[in-house]
Amino acid sequence: EIVLTQSPGTLSLSPGEGVTLSCRASHSVDSNSLAWYQQKPGQAPRLLIFAASARATGIPDRFSGSGSGTDFILTISRLEPDDFAVYYCQHFGSSQGYTFGQGTKLEIK
Amino acid sequence: EVQLVESGGGLVRPGGSLRLSCAASGFTFSTFTMSWVRQAPGKGPEWVASMKEDGDEISYLDSVKGRFTISRDNAVNSLYLQMNSLRDEDTAVYYCTRPRGYASGIYRLDSWGQGALVTVSS
Repeated sequence: EIVLTQSPGTLSLSPGEGVTLSCRASHSVDSNSLAWYQQKPGQAPRLLIFAASARATGIPDRFSGSGSGTDFILTISRLEPDDFAVYYCQHFGSSQGYTFGQGTKLEIK
Repeated sequence: EVQLVESGGGLVRPGGSLRLSCAASGFTFSTFTMSWVRQAPGKGPEWVASMKEDGDEISYLDSVKGRFTISRDNAVNSLYLQMNSLRDEDTAVYYCTRPRGYASGIYRLDSWGQGALVTVSS
């Protein structure tokens, strides 16, 4: 069973700054099964990145994903006020379905 | 535009039952696998169940096996989740989602409904 661990739990940053969020898998995973989501309060998660590095439709190029094996990164350059939210990584496995990390919360400093 | 609209949430006592519905539009529902994902208060999302387009392949989270049943009616573009023997720990917002990638091997949940709140409490 794959477990995804995200770090840090919470980040306090200012608009205009850049940030990297980490997602570590308990075992090596196929990059094609690794995605990232953004969730704002009271809303459903929104797909940002799939296949570790491909941006979903309509996602600005300030968002980028990278990584392979057990270590994956979501980078947001030049934070905008609308980017302060919770971010989740996700893996799909044929035996366990979709699993999610516990999330990283970006808050305004 | 893809739209997924859940209904049927509410307050139910432990041991009770509830049926969630999801009305889909904006895409050819009968050609897509569909899934339910839930999110307990303050927690990350948790996949619950999936059903392939023809209903032949179904999978469940271990903790809901034998209690929850996913089904679909392609004639009316709808997905359902029958939830029996509900427990306190089933309290969550339940999302109808559209998974992608079963043909390409590039897996993600590209569309989500607004969610239906299920509260299990005495």
